Amino acid sequence: AQKITQTQPGMFVQEKEAVTLDCTYDTSDQSYGLFWYKQPSSGEMIFLIYQGSYDEQNATEGRYSLNFQKARKSANLVISASQLGDSAMYFCAMREAYSGGGADGLTFGKGTHLIIQP
Amino acid sequence: DSGVTQTPKHLITATGQRVTLRCSPRSGDLSVYWYQQSLDQGLQFLIQYYNGEERAKGNILERFSAQQFPDLHSELNLSSLELGDSALYFCASSVASGLSYEQYFGPGTRLTVT
Repeated sequence: AQKITQTQPGMFVQEKEAVTLDCTYDTSDQSYGLFWYKQPSSGEMIFLIYQGSYDEQNATEGRYSLNFQKARKSANLVISASQLGDSAMYFCAMREAYSGGGADGLTFGKGTHLIIQP
Repeated sequence: DSGVTQTPKHLITATGQRVTLRCSPRSGDLSVYWYQQSLDQGLQFLIQYYNGEERAKGNILERFSAQQFPDLHSELNLSSLELGDSALYFCASSVASGLSYEQYFGPGTRLTVT
């Protein structure tokens, strides 16, 4: 089974609109971390936001917020007031405390290609 | 700029050859990770080093190996290369090893095996 599922392969959004990128995860660990990364066409991976499984508040970083629904095992990224520069691939990732075998490596979803239209 | 550097940016080589990819982590970061991004497999964690010691292995092939040196830079060695090894190889670093530490990625090395 997929550990990280991103169901939207691609999305088109009008500039200045808010956009929600979906991410669901599967883990039996109680302790885990969820991350979002942005990959523009230039190829680099840019860290956006982090949510810990025990964090009671949803994480926010500027225009990015993470809508964390633990019971549903979802960690959707919300980008407010989208800009043309937000066009990129977006990856949801998870790190598990125990199921990862002690590894801190991230497990990534397949990504969502977001295109912001003027 | 994440502060993580990787060399070379591009590498073209033939099947059966061996290559070495190099990574310098952000200043002060002790943990280094290697990832492979390919069209069919997506982004996969390969291996982690922490302060010079191998910490954990992910989906790393036996033909691949890595090490982290006393100055904390790391090298990923890929041998007996196959066409399917063509991919973007990322190095990432974090200040420590643990659940909440974000990993900062380098610009990647694009490997093409012909």
